[in-house]
Amino acid sequence: NAGVMQNPRHLVRRRGQEARLRCSPMKGHSHVYWYRQLPEEGLKFMVYLQKENIIDESGMPKERFSAEFPKEGPSILRIQQVVRGDSAAYFCASSPSWGGVTEAFFGQGTRLTVV
Amino acid sequence: AQSVTQPDIHITVSEGASLELRCNYSYGATPYLFWYVQSPGQGLQLLLKYFSGDTLVQGIKGFEAEFKRSQSSFNLRKPSVHWSDAAEYFCAVAPSNFGNEKLTFGTGTRLTIIP
Repeated sequence: NAGVMQNPRHLVRRRGQEARLRCSPMKGHSHVYWYRQLPEEGLKFMVYLQKENIIDESGMPKERFSAEFPKEGPSILRIQQVVRGDSAAYFCASSPSWGGVTEAFFGQGTRLTVV
Repeated sequence: AQSVTQPDIHITVSEGASLELRCNYSYGATPYLFWYVQSPGQGLQLLLKYFSGDTLVQGIKGFEAEFKRSQSSFNLRKPSVHWSDAAEYFCAVAPSNFGNEKLTFGTGTRLTIIP
C-alpha cells in the first residue's frame, strides 16, 4: 500500500506563473489536508477536503490559492500568479473517513521555489 | 484558539545520552496530542499520539511522551539517542471533537547529535 504521494517533489516557478501541486492520498482514504511550511517555521493548516467538497478552508489565503479534490484523481493545490513569499514546502496528508486527523498520514511534500 | 509552544529551537546531545523535548499547549479542553519527526528534505512521520487513558505513551523508535494535564505539557523523551535521531521534531494538537480536523503545530525543535 503506497503512502501519500505528492508531485512534483520540487517545483520552480517565476513570479507571476501558476503552480499546481498534486496529492494522491493513500488507498482507501477520502480526506485530504494541505499544510504549508515556511522556512524555519512549523506547518500551518491551509485546507481540508473530502471528495468533491471543501470542508474547511480557513487557512487558505483569500486570493490566488485554490484547492480541489475531485471524484477521480488527485487533490490539486493551485497557486496563481506566484510571488516570492509563496516559496515554501507544501505538505499533503490523508486519512480514512472514520479517523479524521487522528489517522492522518503525510506525504513527503512539494518544495516550491519562486524566482 | 489552540496553540503549541516548543520552547527549545535547537538542542544538541551526545550519542547515547538521554533526551527530553518540551511541548506546552493551550486549549480549553484536553486535545489530541502528537509528536512528529521530520528528517531533512522529508515529510513528517508520526512518532506517537495521545487521545486518552494512560498518560505515558509509547511510540516508535524508542520514543515515549508523557501527558501532564496540570502543566499542559506533552514532553517527548528517549533514554538513549542514536545518531539517526538527528532531525526536526514537531509537537501538534488537534481538538478532541470530530468536525474540526486541523492539526496545530509548534515551531519545531531541531535535534543535533554529536559523537
